[in-house]
Amino acid sequence: AQKVTQAQTEISVVEKEDVTLDCVYETRDTTYYLFWYKQPPSGELVFLIRRNSFDEQNEISGRYSWNFQKSTSSFNFTITASQVVDSAVYFCALKWETSYDKVIFGPGTSLSVIP
Amino acid sequence: KAGVTQTPRYLIKTRGQQVTLSCSPISGHRSVSWYQQTPGQGLQFLFEYFSETQRNKGNFPGRFSGRQFSNSRSEMNVSTLELGDSALYLCASSPAGDTNEKLFFGSGTQLSVL
Repeated sequence: AQKVTQAQTEISVVEKEDVTLDCVYETRDTTYYLFWYKQPPSGELVFLIRRNSFDEQNEISGRYSWNFQKSTSSFNFTITASQVVDSAVYFCALKWETSYDKVIFGPGTSLSVIP
Repeated sequence: KAGVTQTPRYLIKTRGQQVTLSCSPISGHRSVSWYQQTPGQGLQFLFEYFSETQRNKGNFPGRFSGRQFSNSRSEMNVSTLELGDSALYLCASSPAGDTNEKLFFGSGTQLSVL
């Protein structure tokens, strides 16, 4: 069975600090995709990043970076130089080969960036 | 290009009633999926439709149903409402529902059952 765990329920940081959000996933499928979504107070989930199971290269996109490690089934997400607008709930999510648009979400991490 | 549109934005119903929520996907998107979000259970998958066919269904009772029309618009229906059905219902769309595709979400319908 597929499962996504986000151990951090709430995180508070001061503006300009770096923050890393943790995500651990479980799946027996060899082909799968991992995602991070952001949910601001308006309610609409917004896609941030995506990584497939065959590409463990870690990347940086602007202030966002991610660390994907299959050996530990982790897909951590880092925001560099956090800003107040980054305050939101962040969800790690998993899709696998036969899931189509059935997505398993983690419980979410609420991030507060304090000015 | 317009985003995913959900109507109504807010809804208040009483126990035992039924409710219908509507979702218009992004133009050209053929896959529509529905999610329930509650503080206790988080985001849970309800069902997914592609070309008017249900492709996947989550673990929800039969009171929850949905359908998709030929223009890809989708509706979900909840009959015999219970207090526990109070939640934010989110609709998402994607071009074809492939594994590598990200989802585009609407702002949701906040349902309160009194």
